[in-house]
Amino acid sequence: GENVEQHPSTLSVQEGDSAVIKCTYSDSASNYFPWYKQELGKRPQLIIDIRSNVGEKKDQRIAVTLNKTAKHFSLHITETQPEDSAVYFCAADSGSARQLTFGSGTQLTVLP
Amino acid sequence: DAGVIQSPRHEVTEMGQEVTLRCKPISGHNSLFWYRQTMMRGLELLIYFNNNVPIDDSGMPEDRFSAKMPNASFSTLKIQPSEPRDSAVYFCASSQSGGKNIQYFGAGTRLSVL
Repeated sequence: GENVEQHPSTLSVQEGDSAVIKCTYSDSASNYFPWYKQELGKRPQLIIDIRSNVGEKKDQRIAVTLNKTAKHFSLHITETQPEDSAVYFCAADSGSARQLTFGSGTQLTVLP
Repeated sequence: DAGVIQSPRHEVTEMGQEVTLRCKPISGHNSLFWYRQTMMRGLELLIYFNNNVPIDDSGMPEDRFSAKMPNASFSTLKIQPSEPRDSAVYFCASSQSGGKNIQYFGAGTRLSVL
C-alpha cells in the first residue's frame, strides 16, 4: 500500500518568514495530493491540493509543488502569521479505491 | 449545507461498554470515511464506504470494531466491547467520489474509555 512520509515533525519560524514542509510517497500511481490544516481541537480542513498533471499550484501565501519523478511534494507558506500555527498534514491517494493516506503531520509554530 | 455532522462530540464510557458513533455525510456525497486520530499513530483510515458499500475495511483494528452505512445519509461506527486503548478522536469525512475529490471532515467525536 501507499506510504507517505512527512518532514519535519515540528517547525518553528519567526512571523514573516517562510515555512516549508516536505512529503514523499511510494505509490507511483498516486495522482492527487491534498494538504490539510488542523488547528488545536478542530477538524482537518483542506487548504490546497494538487493533481499530477501540474507541477505547482499557488493560492495567495500558500503554494504546493509536486515532483512526480522523485515522488515528493512540498507545502510552502510565505509571510507566515501567528494564525498559521497549526498541524499540517499531507496526503496522497492510492489503492483501487483511491483512498487517502496521510502523513504523520507537522506542528508549525509561528513566533510573533 | 451544514457539512459533515458527527455525534456525539464527546463520549466518556467505561471499559467493556458498547460505544456507537454517528455520522451524517454531506448531501450528495457518495463516499464516506471513518478515521481515528491519536498522538501515537496520527490519522488512520479505519473504513471507507462508496455508495453505502464498504470498500476497504483493512484499517479496522479488530473484531470489536464494526461500521455500517444503511443509507446514503447515515453511518455508524460501533466499538463493542470498548477498551482504554480505543480512546481517541474519531473523524468521519465525506467526498463526492472516492479519494480523488476533496474530503470534508466532521468535527469529530472525542472518545474516552476509562
